[in-house]
Amino acid sequence: AQSVTQPDIHITVSEGASLELRCNYSYGATPYLFWYVQSPGQGLQLLLKYFSGDTLVQGIKGFEAEFKRSQSSFNLRKPSVHWSDAAEYFCAVAELSGNTPLVFGKGTRLSVIA
Amino acid sequence: DVKVTQSSRYLVKRTGEKVFLECVQDMDHENMFWYRQDPGLGLRLIYFSYDVKMKEKGDIPEGYSVSREKKERFSLILESASTNQTSMYLCASSRPAGLEDEQYFGPGTRLTVT
Repeated sequence: AQSVTQPDIHITVSEGASLELRCNYSYGATPYLFWYVQSPGQGLQLLLKYFSGDTLVQGIKGFEAEFKRSQSSFNLRKPSVHWSDAAEYFCAVAELSGNTPLVFGKGTRLSVIA
Repeated sequence: DVKVTQSSRYLVKRTGEKVFLECVQDMDHENMFWYRQDPGLGLRLIYFSYDVKMKEKGDIPEGYSVSREKKERFSLILESASTNQTSMYLCASSRPAGLEDEQYFGPGTRLTVT
């Protein structure tokens, strides 16, 4: 069975600092990988996705993620965090394509301080 | 834009009541999903459907059932609500497997069972 691990439950960064959120997955074949963000009181918004090809994926809001097969990781990065980035971030994996059920990590809550 | 709507943002029900959570999508998507979100647990799949009148159990189907009589509508039913079903419920839809696409999420229904 697939699984997704987000090792950090809560991260606090200063505004303007760089950010990296970790995600490790357990799956034998090439997975379909996603990062979603959930702002307080809001639904899930897709930040970026990886299906194949270039292992560095660009997303919305200045986020990027890098797929590393050797490490079974798909870490999310942003060079300079804005206060509006404070939210909960979820990494997810799908088995067959982007349209089969997603398996989510438990989430990482990001706090941004001035 | 794809739009997934859920009938209520907030719902309060009593223990033992039969509860219906409705989800409607307007993009003619074949696939629809119901997830439950709890703090520290991320999102977990309850049920999904690949076509009208079809349903598949997810990871936590106990205490729930679903109905899909029309392509655009996917209902989650709590036959006899219990306090441990107090949670945020998220509906999603997507195109068929094999297409490089994503799941689109509704805003969620926060259900409280007292």
